[in-house]
Amino acid sequence: AQKITQTQPGMFVQEKEAVTLDCTYDTSDPSYGLFWYKQPSSGEMIFLIYQGSYDQQNATEGRYSLNFQKARKSANLVISASQLGDSAMYFCATHSGGSNYKLTFGKGTLLTVNP
Amino acid sequence: DTAVSQTPKYLVTQMGNDKSIKCEQNLGHDTMYWYKQDSKKFLKIMFSYNNKELIINETVPNRFSPKSPDKAHLNLHINSLELGDSAVYFCASSQDPGGRTEAFFGQGTRLTVV
Repeated sequence: AQKITQTQPGMFVQEKEAVTLDCTYDTSDPSYGLFWYKQPSSGEMIFLIYQGSYDQQNATEGRYSLNFQKARKSANLVISASQLGDSAMYFCATHSGGSNYKLTFGKGTLLTVNP
Repeated sequence: DTAVSQTPKYLVTQMGNDKSIKCEQNLGHDTMYWYKQDSKKFLKIMFSYNNKELIINETVPNRFSPKSPDKAHLNLHINSLELGDSAVYFCASSQDPGGRTEAFFGQGTRLTVV
């Protein structure tokens, strides 16, 4: 079974600064994917970034990058140049070879960007 | 042109009632899901379907019955609603469940049982 741990229930960052949201995962499958989703107060789930277990490079999407450290089983999300609109819940999730037909989510981190 | 749309967005009902939530995706995806988000924001898979076939039923009470008439639709029917069923229910779809394609989520249905 897979497990995702997000140890930061809440984080604060000043506008224009960078912030790192932590995520560690536990899976015995050699092949797995890691995802980050954003959920603003309006409630929708927005996909941000994906990292595959065999990807050699860290994933990047605009201001989002994923700091993938396979040996440590961590997949931290880095948001550069934070904006007020980045204030939201952020969820780390995984699927893996034995359970491709579901995403296992962490408990989320509530990010607040201060002006 | 919503990719994954679910209706209704809000549903308030009394205990013991039966209700349905509808979900449609226009992305041509083969796999659809229902997730439940509880009051602490924790998201958990309930069901997943691939090409109308049930793949995962994550120990959901049998009061919850998903129905997939075709691969673009996955509806959720709930019988004998209980207070504990109050939550936000998300429908989602993905093209390749084992690959790098992300799941696209509907806007959620906030169910309140009173």
